[in-house]
Amino acid sequence: GAVVSQHPSRVICKSGTSVKIECRSLDFQATTMFWYRQFPKQSLMLMATSNEGSKATYEQGVEKDKFLINHASLTLSTLTVTSAHPEDSSFYICSARAASGGAGETQYFGPGTRLLVL
Amino acid sequence: AQSVTQLGSHVSVSEGALVLLRCNYSSSVPPYLFWYVQYPNQGLQLLLKYTTGATLVKGINGFEAEFKKSETSFHLTKPSAHMSDAAEYFCAVSEMSDMRFGAGTRLTVKP
Repeated sequence: GAVVSQHPSRVICKSGTSVKIECRSLDFQATTMFWYRQFPKQSLMLMATSNEGSKATYEQGVEKDKFLINHASLTLSTLTVTSAHPEDSSFYICSARAASGGAGETQYFGPGTRLLVL
Repeated sequence: AQSVTQLGSHVSVSEGALVLLRCNYSSSVPPYLFWYVQYPNQGLQLLLKYTTGATLVKGINGFEAEFKKSETSFHLTKPSAHMSDAAEYFCAVSEMSDMRFGAGTRLTVKP
């Protein structure tokens, strides 16, 4: 099946610094990528939908200036957590949907990035 | 807007017993329905999905789910649980461009 990678898998940073997380589709082209946030023992909460070459669409309550998303190519999307604070600590998961895909197309998920802000 | 309700945040079964994880959805259009499994500190892996056609969908690892429009349900089953099935399971619905997840059900398998 399709493979999606995330880097880094784990990051610890000081409060006030920025952290960039990369999401790559390794063997397929992804027109659309999604960024989710997952708190311990909870479900995935969609943060934003990212389409290649255009601005991301953010869910209500997600700060655009805090969570910067760039989808520069059909295989790469990045999430930058700017001026991170301890409350931003979470498990961030990306997913990618094939270029031909609509709502019924499978989303393939990355392994997640655990962010800890001290 | 679409939504998903998973009944039971925690299900415990004995090894070899039937697994039944419940999922009900709400959607204004014919939905696309998915079941994903998540192991600790990992991303999600697709078990199976329903788009159109046959309402009984077979997935990986012996799991299957049946789409019942009249009951707005998409319950996940497996005839015989294995220790390796212990994980978190998420039901999801996709209506337009994005996917919405249920709260998840943690499956524990007792020896």
